[in-house]
Amino acid sequence: KQEVTQIPAALSVPEGENLVLNCSFTDSAIYNLQWFRQDPGKGLTSLLLIQSSQREQTSGRLNASLDKSSGRSTLYIAASQPGDSATYLCAASNFGNEKLTFGTGTRLTIIP
Amino acid sequence: GAVVSQHPSRVICKSGTSVKIECRSLDFQATTMFWYRQFPKQSLMLMATSNEGSKATYEQGVEKDKFLINHASLTLSTLTVTSAHPEDSSFYICSAGRGSGLFFGSGTQLSVL
Repeated sequence: KQEVTQIPAALSVPEGENLVLNCSFTDSAIYNLQWFRQDPGKGLTSLLLIQSSQREQTSGRLNASLDKSSGRSTLYIAASQPGDSATYLCAASNFGNEKLTFGTGTRLTIIP
Repeated sequence: GAVVSQHPSRVICKSGTSVKIECRSLDFQATTMFWYRQFPKQSLMLMATSNEGSKATYEQGVEKDKFLINHASLTLSTLTVTSAHPEDSSFYICSAGRGSGLFFGSGTQLSVL
């Protein structure tokens, strides 16, 4: 059974700094791994999707990496802004299976 | 990008009543949709997989008679929480797959008094 963990549970960073969010998973036979953003009481916004054959994906100030052998993924946010404050979730999809196993999330606060 | 619409966004109901939540794929057909539940300060947990034209597949520990799922068309899945109780209060969210990605609705906050 896939288990996904995110550390830390909460993170506060001054505006402008670069930061890294961590995600680990127990079953390396994943189909893909996604990073989402969730704002309070709202749905999920997909940020980046990394296929199992890929090692990283970039979108603007965001860069996500995937290391299946170590069961880890990271989300790098450059030049953080107050608008980046949200909960960030990673989720793994097992091979051939669209069902997602979500991590526990990291609640990010960017301090102006 | 693909759009998944979920309605209502918030519902407050009395204990014992039933609540229906709709999930629609607006610009694509989805033979499979997924329903998740999120309790406060916890992550999303998959409840069930909704299959168009057939019975839903429920995850372990989810009561199929309490959480009725109907996927009658390729663009609509509904989740009905029957005889809701306060412990059913949660954030419910659906998703639908298109290509290699999954797209999520905006979620429904259910509060049972």
